[in-house]
Amino acid sequence: NAGVTQTPKFQVLKTGQSMTLQCAQDMNHNSMYWYRQDPGMGLRLIYYSASEGTTDKGEVPNGYNVSRLNKREFSLRLESAAPSQTSVYFCANRGGGAGDTEAFFGQGTRLTVV
Amino acid sequence: SQQGEEDPQALSIQEGENATMNCSYKTSINNLQWYRQNSGRGLVHLILIRSNEREKHSGRLRVTLDTSKKSSSLLITASRAADTASYFCATEETSGSRLTFGEGTQLTVNP
Repeated sequence: NAGVTQTPKFQVLKTGQSMTLQCAQDMNHNSMYWYRQDPGMGLRLIYYSASEGTTDKGEVPNGYNVSRLNKREFSLRLESAAPSQTSVYFCANRGGGAGDTEAFFGQGTRLTVV
Repeated sequence: SQQGEEDPQALSIQEGENATMNCSYKTSINNLQWYRQNSGRGLVHLILIRSNEREKHSGRLRVTLDTSKKSSSLLITASRAADTASYFCATEETSGSRLTFGEGTQLTVNP
């Protein structure tokens, strides 16, 4: 079992380009999350999805969109990339709905916007 | 600003010493969790404490939670060089599935 798989692992974009970060899980967990981590900083929540078909904004949603079309996949889209979006992006999942479960993380996508 | 704030931001100790990290948060929570991150890697869950619990142990880890002060501490006893990593607290808010993280403590254990 792979757990949480993110693709790509590395990406360089030019300002204004768009791209979609993919996240897939094989753990059958309900909740999925997208975070960004800037150098020397903690994780900031971009968007999350408590269950298939639902999404909610986190702390820093501006400039991003998400899609949760099925239980397995949760994608993050940058419509017009900006240098301020240079960061490491982590996808995570958690079992059940709310309550008393740990999160499992992917290995991250390192995005540079030039 | 982020839900959790941790202190110290950085901690350097000798092998065998204990390491204590603190986390404060702002909203009502269902539980508080601690994670570890090795450089350049994803986060790994260490321990979870529910809002109705005051203390929890797991191996060399001891976590306390004071909901009246909205704070938690993580104690790592008899530290090892392999404990060198960043440690983050995360809170699950009572409003639902939202899970937010603090800014982390960078722990360095010198051999």
